[in-house]
Amino acid sequence: AQKITQTQPGMFVQEKEAVTLDCTYDTSDPSYGLFWYKQPSSGEMIFLIYQGSYDQQNATEGRYSLNFQKARKSANLVISASQLGDSAMYFCAMSYGKLTFGQGTILTVHP
Amino acid sequence: NAGVTQTPKFQVLKTGQSMTLQCAQDMNHEYMSWYRQDPGMGLRLIHYSVGAGITDQGEVPNGYNVSRSTTEDFPLRLLSAAPSQTSVYFCASSLVFGTATTYGYTFGSGTRLTVV
Repeated sequence: AQKITQTQPGMFVQEKEAVTLDCTYDTSDPSYGLFWYKQPSSGEMIFLIYQGSYDQQNATEGRYSLNFQKARKSANLVISASQLGDSAMYFCAMSYGKLTFGQGTILTVHP
Repeated sequence: NAGVTQTPKFQVLKTGQSMTLQCAQDMNHEYMSWYRQDPGMGLRLIHYSVGAGITDQGEVPNGYNVSRSTTEDFPLRLLSAAPSQTSVYFCASSLVFGTATTYGYTFGSGTRLTVV
């Protein structure tokens, strides 16, 4: 069965510093996609970044990058130069047709 | 505006009441799904559909029914609400259903349901 695990219930980072949010996954399917979503206190789900299982390069979108280590089945999100507006819940998710989510990590950015 | 529209945004039900959460998309998306979000548990899949007339169960289907008579609409029915169904519900859609999709998923704004 497919499973996504986020082991950090909460993370703190100083403004302008980088932070890594951990995500590991388990699947026997060779074809899958990995997503990160941001959920601010307003509740909407905001797509951040996508990595396909066959992609050779790590995905990047502005200040977001996905550290994809296929052999270790990890897909960590790196946020560079944190901003106060980055404070939110972050979800890792895996698509194998259906989309399965991890438990989420609450990120707090301190000024 | 194109996207996924969920109604209502908030709802309070009494135990045993029934109601339907509405989800509509105007992007001709093949795949539609319902999730519930509970603290510490992320989003869990309730039901999903890969096209009109085709639905299937997700991780937590008990107490919920769905149907997909059109491509655009995917309503979620609670037949007899229970306090355990107090949650935030999200509808999400995607252009295609496949083992790995680059098309991404579009989420509705959510429905906050309280069952007393």
